[in-house]
Amino acid sequence: AQTVTQSQPEMSVQEAETVTLSCTYDTSESNYYLFWYKQPPSRQMILVIRQEAYKQQNATENRFSVNFQKAAKSFSLKISDSQLGDTAMYFCAYTGNQFYFGTGTSLTVIP
Amino acid sequence: DVKVTQSSRYLVKRTGEKVFLECVQDMDHENMFWYRQDPGLGLRLIYFSYDVKMKEKGDIPEGYSVSREKKERFSLILESASTNQTSMYLCASDSGSYNEQFFGPGTRLTVL
Repeated sequence: AQTVTQSQPEMSVQEAETVTLSCTYDTSESNYYLFWYKQPPSRQMILVIRQEAYKQQNATENRFSVNFQKAAKSFSLKISDSQLGDTAMYFCAYTGNQFYFGTGTSLTVIP
Repeated sequence: DVKVTQSSRYLVKRTGEKVFLECVQDMDHENMFWYRQDPGLGLRLIYFSYDVKMKEKGDIPEGYSVSREKKERFSLILESASTNQTSMYLCASDSGSYNEQFFGPGTRLTVL
């Protein structure tokens, strides 16, 4: 069975600094996608970044980038130049035939 | 703008009441999902649907049922609400396997 593990329930970072959120997953499928979602306080869940498993190159979206280590089944999210608006719950997600979410990491950006 | 909307942001019900949570998407997506979000547990899948009038159980279907009479609408039904169903309920949709899911704003349900 596929599982997604986020081992950091809470994290904090100083504004303008860099922070890395960890995610590991377990799967026997060869083709799959990985996602990071952001859920700001009392606001809608939105997609931050996605990574196709068959692509070796790490995905980037402006200040957000991933470190995808397929053999280690690791998919971490790096947020550079952290901003107050980055304060949110972040969920790592896996999809092959079905979607699986991690338990989330609550990130607080400190002014 | 693509949209998934949910009928209520906040809902308070009494134990034993029948509760309807409605979700509508305007993206012509085949797949729709209902999740429950609780602190420390992440998102847990209750039910999903791959087509009109079609439904599949997720990981925690007990105490819930669903209805999908039209492609754009997916309803979650609590036949007899209980206090342990107090939670945040999220609806999502996608256009098929390997695609991102789009989420609604959520309904925070309190059962007293």
